[in-house]
Amino acid sequence: DAMVIQNPRYQVTQFGKPVTLSCSQTLNHNVMYWYQQKSSQAPKLLFHYYDKDFNNEADTPDNFQSRRPNTSFCFLDIRSPGLGDAAMYLCATSTKGRVDQETQYFGPGTRLLVL
Amino acid sequence: LAKTTQPISMDSYEGQEVNITCSHNNIATNDYITWYQQFPSQGPRFIIQGYKTKVTNEVASLFIPADRKSSTLSLPRVSLSDTAVYYCLVGDEQPTGTASKLTFGTGTRLQVTL
Repeated sequence: DAMVIQNPRYQVTQFGKPVTLSCSQTLNHNVMYWYQQKSSQAPKLLFHYYDKDFNNEADTPDNFQSRRPNTSFCFLDIRSPGLGDAAMYLCATSTKGRVDQETQYFGPGTRLLVL
Repeated sequence: LAKTTQPISMDSYEGQEVNITCSHNNIATNDYITWYQQFPSQGPRFIIQGYKTKVTNEVASLFIPADRKSSTLSLPRVSLSDTAVYYCLVGDEQPTGTASKLTFGTGTRLQVTL
């Protein structure tokens, strides 16, 4: 089945140690998103790629970066994780640019723990 | 930016119909209304989407009045497995050639019990 895959499901890192989360998709969608979801809160968009174009949200900290080497893969890099970065990180994809009748397909998420 | 307002939580017994209402007073003309479901430790999952009147699929129904300032998600005969958070979202209009973005509100935490 076509899907959005996130690995690993759980990631433990140390305070200040760079960490990379990965997302892949078999849907061939041109847009990929990264969301951060803290406990008991709604998902919050960090940034997205429209094809190769990177779009950062205004309030996304510089500590968060992303790479999209090809259509199928997208990475979230946290350069110096702090305790406040512990959260579920969700990857999503969508098929076109406009929101009309468009849906986003989410992966299962990677839960990041910072020690 | 069209904001949404939903009840923070709802409780229901198994087998009942559940209606979750969402308010979106500032919805734009071209915005669609979309509902997502999220189970613990999983990503949100698309449930249903509509523009006006009524939409029904195998999972739920969506009722949208003529003024489109609110919408109601209806889940028929809920089961324990419907316990989840339900998010109502309206589309953010973006310039041509840019991707759409979803802004999640607080969501409604539905608890279904026996």
